[in-house]
Amino acid sequence: QQQVRQSPQSLTVWEGETAILNCSYEDSTFDYFPWYHQFPGESPALLIAIRPVSNKKEDGRFTIFFNKREKKFSLHIADSQPGDSATYFCAASVNYNQGKLIFGQGTKLSIKP
Amino acid sequence: GALVYQYPRRTICKSGTSMRMECQAVGFQATSVAWYRQSPQKTFELIALSTVNSAIKYEQNFTQEKFPISHPNLSFSSMTVLNAYLEDRGLYLCGAGGQNERLFFGHGTKLSVL
Repeated sequence: QQQVRQSPQSLTVWEGETAILNCSYEDSTFDYFPWYHQFPGESPALLIAIRPVSNKKEDGRFTIFFNKREKKFSLHIADSQPGDSATYFCAASVNYNQGKLIFGQGTKLSIKP
Repeated sequence: GALVYQYPRRTICKSGTSMRMECQAVGFQATSVAWYRQSPQKTFELIALSTVNSAIKYEQNFTQEKFPISHPNLSFSSMTVLNAYLEDRGLYLCGAGGQNERLFFGHGTKLSVL
């Protein structure tokens, strides 16, 4: 089944803490897993992405952890900043060149100063 | 750099009328264009995926009769919402993909229906 489940629906953390957002999927043919963030009134923007050949991808304060066996992946935002407050969407696709992304439900992240 | 321009940014139409939105890729060849809808308080639903020189594939619950799409070349795509009603409200996004894995999104067209 081509669905991506995302949790939690909303998350509040203090500035400086690590925020953890989770996603899971069922279709084992998915081979590309991006995370997008969306600020109010804006379109989603690609934050970071991973392919199943890796179980970890880092870009600055953002890290994706990927567990192929359990079909789960998570986004960790270290040293959270108020500017990180946004809605985050995980997604997955089968053939990344085709642009057919299946999105999770989104997590509204709030960082308290 | 690669950019996707989408217009109009906002539109209001009367119930039962139609509106068209357009998507322009700049700086790369948009081999694939995916149209999504984000309904209020919801995630992004894929409406259809268009690949140049291939048939347009519509997802379940979306039809060509309701959302006709044109993708005539590697830089342009348009989609029309025919006979729009309240349930068609939302943010419509085009995402264009080139030869690499990154999908670039336009700013979206916010559709309100009166």
